[in-house]
Amino acid sequence: KQEVTQIPAALSVPEGENLVLNCSFTDSAIYNLQWFRQDPGKGLTSLLLIQSSQREQTSGRLNASLDKSSGRSTLYIAASQPGDSATYLCAVIKAAGNKLTFGGGTRVLVKP
Amino acid sequence: GAVVSQHPSRVICKSGTSVKIECRSLDFQATTMFWYRQFPKKSLMLMATSNEGSKATYEQGVEKDKFLINHASLTLSTLTVTSAHPEDSSFYICSARDGGVDTQYFGPGTRLTVL
Repeated sequence: KQEVTQIPAALSVPEGENLVLNCSFTDSAIYNLQWFRQDPGKGLTSLLLIQSSQREQTSGRLNASLDKSSGRSTLYIAASQPGDSATYLCAVIKAAGNKLTFGGGTRVLVKP
Repeated sequence: GAVVSQHPSRVICKSGTSVKIECRSLDFQATTMFWYRQFPKKSLMLMATSNEGSKATYEQGVEKDKFLINHASLTLSTLTVTSAHPEDSSFYICSARDGGVDTQYFGPGTRLTVL
């Protein structure tokens, strides 16, 4: 059974500092991995999707890497801003059209 | 981008009543929809997978008679919480899979409070 773990569970940084969020999964046979953002009481916003054949994806200040063989992904957020405060979730999918397995999330607070 | 809506966004009901939550894909056809439950400060837990025109597949530990799922069309799936109790209070989120691009899009969630 796939298990997804996110460390740390919570993170507080001053504005401008880079954020590093970690995600690990136990079964390396994945189809893709996604990073999501969730604001309190809201749904999920997809940030980045990395296919199993890819090693990283970038969008603006966000960069996500994937090391499938070691079961790890890292989300980097450069030059953090207070607006980046949210919970960040990673999720893996085993096969196309299959269900997502989520990690526990990392709650991020960026202090002005 | 693709949009998934949920209705209602927030509902408060008395214990023993049933509550229906709708999940709609607004600009694409979703052959598969997923229903998740999220407790405060916790991650999403998949409850069931809903395929259009067939019975939903429930995850282990989820009571199918308690959480009725209907996926009658390619743009609509409903989750009915029957005889709701306070322990059913939670945040329910649906997602819809756009088979054309093999991506899941998430709805904004429904906050259920059972008194």
